[in-house]
Amino acid sequence: EDQVTQSPEALRLQEGESSSLNCSYTVSGLRGLFWYRQDPGKGPEFLFTLYSAGEEKEKERLKATLTKKESFLHITAPKPEDSATYLCAVQRRGGGSNYKLTFGKGTLLTVNP
Amino acid sequence: DAMVIQNPRYQVTQFGKPVTLSCSQTLNHNVMYWYQQKSSQAPKLLFHYYDKDFNNEADTPDNFQSRRPNTSFCFLDIRSPGLGDAAMYLCATSRDFAAGGISGELFFGEGSRLTVL
Repeated sequence: EDQVTQSPEALRLQEGESSSLNCSYTVSGLRGLFWYRQDPGKGPEFLFTLYSAGEEKEKERLKATLTKKESFLHITAPKPEDSATYLCAVQRRGGGSNYKLTFGKGTLLTVNP
Repeated sequence: DAMVIQNPRYQVTQFGKPVTLSCSQTLNHNVMYWYQQKSSQAPKLLFHYYDKDFNNEADTPDNFQSRRPNTSFCFLDIRSPGLGDAAMYLCATSRDFAAGGISGELFFGEGSRLTVL
């Protein structure tokens, strides 16, 4: 069974204080790993797709990296508007799994001004 | 703007009283999903449609049913809600790879929060 574990569960930062969120995964044949942002009371919003170990993607203050066992979401000089829950998800390769994402519980990030 | 719209945003029902949640999309995506998300938990896939083909997850209770009458609309029916079914229900869409979709890029609605009394 595919598993996604995110840490920490919650992270509180001061504005400008860089940090990283971790996503550890177990999947039989990784098709892709995905990061989403979820604001309170809203649906998740897609951020990145990573397909293979060593791949990196960037968007504004966010940078996602991937190894064979985990992914990191690095947040550089965060601002209060970056406060949200960040969800990690994996997709298994092949057959009926093509359209199933297995999500982690997320990391609740709070950035104080 | 093209989007995924869920109605109602908030639904209160009584134990055992059937509920229907709706989802409409203007993205013309061929894949539609229903996820259940309980407080501080991971979104859990209930089922998805690839065009009109229905794909149920093995652990989705029979109490949950779905209909997709056309490309734009999808419904989630909860036949006899229990207290454990209180959650946020998220509808999402994606575009098939063959149509240029990005793997894992789902477009979510804002969710329907269900309360069971």
